[in-house]
Amino acid sequence: EAQVTQNPRYLITVTGKKLTVTCSQNMNHEYMSWYRQDPGLGLRQIYYSMNVEVTDKGDVPEGYKVSRKEKRNFPLILESPSPNQTSLYFCASSQRTGSADTQYFGPGTRLTVL
Amino acid sequence: AQSVTQLDSQVPVFEEAPVELRCNYSSSVSVYLFWYVQYPNQGLQLLLKYLSGSTLVKGINGFEAEFNKSQTSFHLRKPSVHISDTAEYFCAVSVWNQGGKLIFGQGTELSVKP
Repeated sequence: EAQVTQNPRYLITVTGKKLTVTCSQNMNHEYMSWYRQDPGLGLRQIYYSMNVEVTDKGDVPEGYKVSRKEKRNFPLILESPSPNQTSLYFCASSQRTGSADTQYFGPGTRLTVL
Repeated sequence: AQSVTQLDSQVPVFEEAPVELRCNYSSSVSVYLFWYVQYPNQGLQLLLKYLSGSTLVKGINGFEAEFNKSQTSFHLRKPSVHISDTAEYFCAVSVWNQGGKLIFGQGTELSVKP
């Protein structure tokens, strides 16, 4: 089954404790992206990747890092989480990097930083 | 810069009634338009998209949307809703020269009551 998977689905952590949220897609997609969803704000893009070893900042990149060493994986790293990073996070992928492409979303990771 | 405004944060409606979810966008360049749906505890999935051509776009689950360039709107409609349509709906735009980045509206919670 074609899908985008994220782990963990739920995470509660404390301020300053480094964490990684994994994202993997099995569709051989070139483009991958991370969004955060906050009430009343919709989804905002954190980082994106056009292909292996090609990543760039989205609209809200502060406090996050990403890497794209393999085509299928695009982990999101929070080196020193803070309470304002409490949010619902979605990974997405699309076949190409074109703006007309449909993006496929993972199930989401709900992160709480105490 | 581009922006998307969903005019209603919550829309309650009775089963089998028609519904319209409103979306307006702002952009100085051409955009592609999308509607995504998020069922409870799930990721987003594409309902429909407008790229070019006919301004009336049909999507999954009986939804359709009409692109109105002069009013910069892309309202979503369904003639008769079901309980199972209860979800959050997001309008989004992408710009032709900005890769796969989606700019989302704030979301509209559709609540269908028996």
